[in-house]
Parts: sequence; structure tokens; C-alpha cells
Amino acid sequence: KAGVTQTPRYLIKTRGQQVTLSCSPISGHRSVSWYQQTPGQGLQFLFEYFSETQRNKGNFPGRFSGRQFSNSRSEMNVSTLELGDSALYLCASSPGDTRGYGYTFGSGTRLTVV
Amino acid sequence: GESVGLHLPTLSVQEGDNSIINCAYSNSASDYFIWYKQESGKGPQFIIDIRSNMDKRQGQRVTVLLNKTVKHLSLQIAATQPGDSAVYFCAENFSSNDYKLSFGAGTTVTVRA
Repeated sequence: KAGVTQTPRYLIKTRGQQVTLSCSPISGHRSVSWYQQTPGQGLQFLFEYFSETQRNKGNFPGRFSGRQFSNSRSEMNVSTLELGDSALYLCASSPGDTRGYGYTFGSGTRLTVV
Repeated sequence: GESVGLHLPTLSVQEGDNSIINCAYSNSASDYFIWYKQESGKGPQFIIDIRSNMDKRQGQRVTVLLNKTVKHLSLQIAATQPGDSAVYFCAENFSSNDYKLSFGAGTTVTVRA
């Protein structure tokens, strides 16, 4: 079966702009989580969606937001980009009905803010 | 094989040796743990998981050990191969109504030919 698909793979944006990243989960998975990975902070949880509802949110400013569609695809948006938002953004899909089970990651979107 | 008692950011292993990667987790209420492998330019890849009602689980060439008393997790890789060179992360899932993973700092494993 197809894995987790993230688009685009690479993105360069200017400080102050906004960006939208997309994640298509494994077919049948209803949960999508987003993580930010940086050399300094490692992998940090952003938020998790299940059946179009946000169930968990990490400690990120309100500039980071997300949503999930009825087909389980998810998008995350970052507004008013800052240089520190440069990172690899990863999404993970899981069945979602059993907590803590079966998280599969995509290859990520590498965002560079200049 | 080579092993470390504490978490170290890097580990150099001779090809064919066994390697042990350690991880200390933070929350005594965590009840599910996963080891991931991340190669350059890719997302984390699932290796093996374990629930807190177990203390050992084996996969293909890998074994995860869980010591809840000291909140310690380890990943043992048998007969380490060049393809095992990567960054390895442990992740924990808290037992409350929580749907997120908390990751450790990662260990970079380099396999020497």
C-alpha cells in the first residue's frame, strides 16, 4: 500500500510570508500528526487530527495551524514566517482508533525561510 | 559488541559487531515506546515497538529492552551492517488521553567497514 505522502518536498519562503504544507495519510488511516524537526530542538510535536478534529496540540505559537479534510488528508499552515521556522516538517499517519499505535512517517517537507 | 550505559549522541560500531543504543524516557506513565531509524533526507522509519506490559521484544536482528524501574529503553542491533548507519530515536506515548509521541534526542550510528 502507498505510504504517507507529503508535498512539496522542498520549499523556500521569505520571512513574513505564509506557507501551506500537505500530507496524505496511508489509506484507511484517520489520524495525522505533524512534527517539526530541527538540529537544535529535535523532533517536536505540533498537533494531531482525527476525523477532522484536533485532538492534541503542542507548544507552538498560534502562527502554526492545521486542519484535516473528510478524506483524512491534512494541511498545516504557518503564517508570518520567521527565520527560526526553517525546519523539516514531518507528518505521521496512524489508524487513530488505538492510542499510540502504528505511526508511519512521511519523508517530510524541508522549509527554508530566508 | 559495543554498548553504552547512558545515552550518547554518537556511536561508532565495527561492521559485524552488535550495537546497543540507550534511551532514558521521561514519563513513568508512558505505556508505549517506539524505536525509529532516520536516514539522511528521509522521515523516521519504524523499527520496533514495545508496550509497558512487556520488558523485551525481538524483531529481525533487533531487540528492544524496557526497564520501567529506571525508565530506560534500549535497542540492540545484531551483526551491524553498513545499512544500519543512521540516526536512531526512541519515542514514548503517555498513557493519558494523549495522541502524540515525545522523542528522545537521537543517536547517530556510524558503521565502520
